[in-house]
Amino acid sequence: ETGVTQTPRHLVMGMTNKKSLKCEQHLGHNAMYWYKQSAKKPLELMFVYNFKEQTENNSVPSRFSPECPNSSHLFLHLHTLQPEDSALYLCASSQDLGRGSTDTQYFGPGTRLTVL
Amino acid sequence: GENVEQHPSTLSVQEGDSAVIKCTYSDSASNYFPWYKQELGKRPQLIIDIRSNVGEKKDQRIAVTLNKTAKHFSLHITETQPEDSAVYFCAASINGNKLVFGAGTILRVKS
Repeated sequence: ETGVTQTPRHLVMGMTNKKSLKCEQHLGHNAMYWYKQSAKKPLELMFVYNFKEQTENNSVPSRFSPECPNSSHLFLHLHTLQPEDSALYLCASSQDLGRGSTDTQYFGPGTRLTVL
Repeated sequence: GENVEQHPSTLSVQEGDSAVIKCTYSDSASNYFPWYKQELGKRPQLIIDIRSNVGEKKDQRIAVTLNKTAKHFSLHITETQPEDSAVYFCAASINGNKLVFGAGTILRVKS
């Protein structure tokens, strides 16, 4: 349960605020992901990093800005969000994204974000 | 791109009965199909996965079947218990990258 941690667990912010979500993995993995989980919708992949390089940006608005300083840490910087951005933001990690890889993704507990 | 549909959206069963959740996918190149269980307020956790080179995989009371021709795969839970109550998500991907998830199934096991 402590392989992937996320902070904060809950966050309430106004539309003009700037905040950051943090994810840390202790599994020695090289790939990290951000997902958005909204009520009654599938988990939506937002960003993918492999060996600190962004490999996927799933058409995410620029008010979400990811940062991956090393393979163990992933941030999601938030600014001028909208109420519809309220959701559970999940981080995940896997071994890597090498060709032929079918590595399991391990999820963090998520950050419950509310935008007022 | 890949699209995954999951049915039913909710499923209620009596304790001891079996539960079946079905998913279909659109991209014939998909070759990795994990199933995640998410209990209320907790993170999604992998419970079983299957790769396209096999048609069935079993782990105690949980099994997954894959029909590549029809592009669908199913989760089977036998002898359900109250602790099986959760939201179950299927997913599909090519080589484990860029998982595309189904919308989830809320399973309620009534005791």
